[in-house]
Amino acid sequence: GDSVTQTEGPVTVSESESLIINCTYSATSIAYPNLFWYVRYPGEGLQLLLKVITAGQKGSSRGFEATYNKETTSFHLQKASVQESDSAVYYCALGAPQTGFASALTFGSGTKVIPCLP
Amino acid sequence: NAGVIQTPRHKVTGKGQEATLWCEPISGHSAVFWYRQTIVQGLEFLTYFRNQAPIDDSGMPKERFSAQMPNQSHSTLKIQSTQPQDSAVYLCASSPSTGGEQYFGPGTRLTVL
Repeated sequence: GDSVTQTEGPVTVSESESLIINCTYSATSIAYPNLFWYVRYPGEGLQLLLKVITAGQKGSSRGFEATYNKETTSFHLQKASVQESDSAVYYCALGAPQTGFASALTFGSGTKVIPCLP
Repeated sequence: NAGVIQTPRHKVTGKGQEATLWCEPISGHSAVFWYRQTIVQGLEFLTYFRNQAPIDDSGMPKERFSAQMPNQSHSTLKIQSTQPQDSAVYLCASSPSTGGEQYFGPGTRLTVL
């Protein structure tokens, strides 16, 4: 089956420092999966951070970026300067592309990010 | 827009009892998904509906679990004869017919004693 592996947390990062959360996927039944990053802020529900559906493309949102790399089957999440408000759990996910419709998602285990004062 | 509504937010049942979880998708969304989250297994897909029709239930345990979507405004997940290993947060998500993003509800935390 399909699977997603991401950086095991928690990850502690100084505010204003850069962050990278690694994500690699294995999609045995899907040639070109759609890739997503979801985030859960404290006390809130799971919400979409960004998505990329085309290999080679980059998605960005709220200062975060992720590039869909089919050669390395990776979709790492990066941010140049972490802020306190980035404290959250981040989930990498993949889904089968379906024209016009969503499909079931396969999630990674989640990475808790803890910003700290420099 | 109230978002996806899930009720109850917390449910405690005794072993062997039945639990019914409710989900109200965002108005106008055509797809509803159910997931389960535990510490050990993480976030797992259970089942989903499109335009009220069941599309994929490959993640549903074959016994005791069932899901329905009797109308476009709500879906239910029923667990019969609950067991302690059913304890989890059950998440419902809905999606519009375009775009593919899923919008998640706050979840129902089920505790089976």
